[in-house]
Amino acid sequence: SSELTQDPAVSVALGQTVRITCQGDSLRNYYASWYQQKPGQAPVLVIYGQKNRPSGIPDRFSGSSSGNTASLTITGALAEDEADYYCNSRDSSGNHGEVIFGGGTKLTVL
Amino acid sequence: QVTLKESGPVLVKPTETLTLTCTVSGFSLSNARVGVSWIRQPPGKALEWLAHIFSNDEKSYSTSLKSRLTISQDTSKSQVVLTMTNMDPVDTATYYCARIRLGVVGGAYYYYMDVWGKGTTVTVSS
Repeated sequence: SSELTQDPAVSVALGQTVRITCQGDSLRNYYASWYQQKPGQAPVLVIYGQKNRPSGIPDRFSGSSSGNTASLTITGALAEDEADYYCNSRDSSGNHGEVIFGGGTKLTVL
Repeated sequence: QVTLKESGPVLVKPTETLTLTCTVSGFSLSNARVGVSWIRQPPGKALEWLAHIFSNDEKSYSTSLKSRLTISQDTSKSQVVLTMTNMDPVDTATYYCARIRLGVVGGAYYYYMDVWGKGTTVTVSS
């Protein structure tokens, strides 16, 4: 199966903008989704279909994609955005029914 | 309100078979383009997708674990069951079930998990 690669850790100053990226060949064929996970909690969907936000997700979260890279941007990061972020997509190699997750990015808000 | 709840043993012994049940409410397992995924997360590690099943009974499994996994559903009980054979200490993890949706843009289908259960922690130890 394919892989999705994320930077292990990213930091952002309070109120600033941060971009978290996810790279993989599958992203050339399938849209990414993004999940936020805080310690001891289940993941929460924040972006799906590359750029759609579920209801209840603040509009400071946005998604984009180019080539084999999907990005999650947080504009005006708040302390409460400190969390692990995971991307996922369908696997475009072999069994297209498979789902793959990135290794996650730990976001620290300074 | 859509909810999913995982249930199963907290502790299993090596070589045993793990059976986990996901009970859903607020939606039907018969809905089109809707299914249930199982995902696990070892302590301090990343999420790992295991399997999913859709309303048309289409099933997919992680290639690396396919020989050990079986997923099934009972729509009358609103339950999805995952079994994993030959458990090993490396299978110690929190196991989540999540509703998986099928989106489509320009003829290309994509997946996303929009509602997750709280997870159940499984420890494999003798």
